[in-house]
Amino acid sequence: EAGVAQSPRYKIIEKRQSVAFWCNPISGHATLYWYQQILGQGPKLLIQFQNNGVVDDSQLPKDRFSAERLKGVDSTLKIQPAKLEDSAVYLCASSQTSGRLGTQYFGPGTRLLVL
Amino acid sequence: DQQVKQNSPSLSVQEGRISILNCDYTNSMFDYFLWYKKYPAEGPTFLISISSIKDKNEDGRFTVFLNKSAKHLSLHIVPSQPGDSAVYFCAASASRYGGATNKLIFGTGTLLAVQP
Repeated sequence: EAGVAQSPRYKIIEKRQSVAFWCNPISGHATLYWYQQILGQGPKLLIQFQNNGVVDDSQLPKDRFSAERLKGVDSTLKIQPAKLEDSAVYLCASSQTSGRLGTQYFGPGTRLLVL
Repeated sequence: DQQVKQNSPSLSVQEGRISILNCDYTNSMFDYFLWYKKYPAEGPTFLISISSIKDKNEDGRFTVFLNKSAKHLSLHIVPSQPGDSAVYFCAASASRYGGATNKLIFGTGTLLAVQP
């Protein structure tokens, strides 16, 4: 079974530029998550989708971050414009169920450096 | 406000000995706890979990203990192997978030090094 795929793996941009990340979840997984992991910290949930609807985006900085999950499969996370403090690893995860006990499977992440 | 804390940034253990990783939490609403393991350049991998109705859960070499009164959980790895060397994250969830959201709050991680 293929795991969660993410691209690109690395991205370097200058502040105020835009960037987008792509995620393809495990086949059949209805729930998709985007996490931000800043160096030295644990992952922090940015947004959770159930199929193509948003379940939780309470910690998404909506003035600069946006995410979509068209057709309930792939998802993109965009930052526009980027700030220095956005430098982090962006992790995508998926789970079969949306309930609390649905195990989340993580992709390898996209490492973003904002200069 | 760090609701899940892993106060030891790193731990070094000899192969074959026991590794004990600790985690403390402050939110009394948390009722489900998980441990994830992370190798460099990879995403976290689910290791083991425990519900608040239990105080122990075992899976092979891995055992998680939960002390609700102390708001403390620990992961025991016996015997430790060099392949266990990784960052271990503790995570917690609260049912008040509702069944529709599987929101996990992660600790900052502990880097375990198992020496051959």
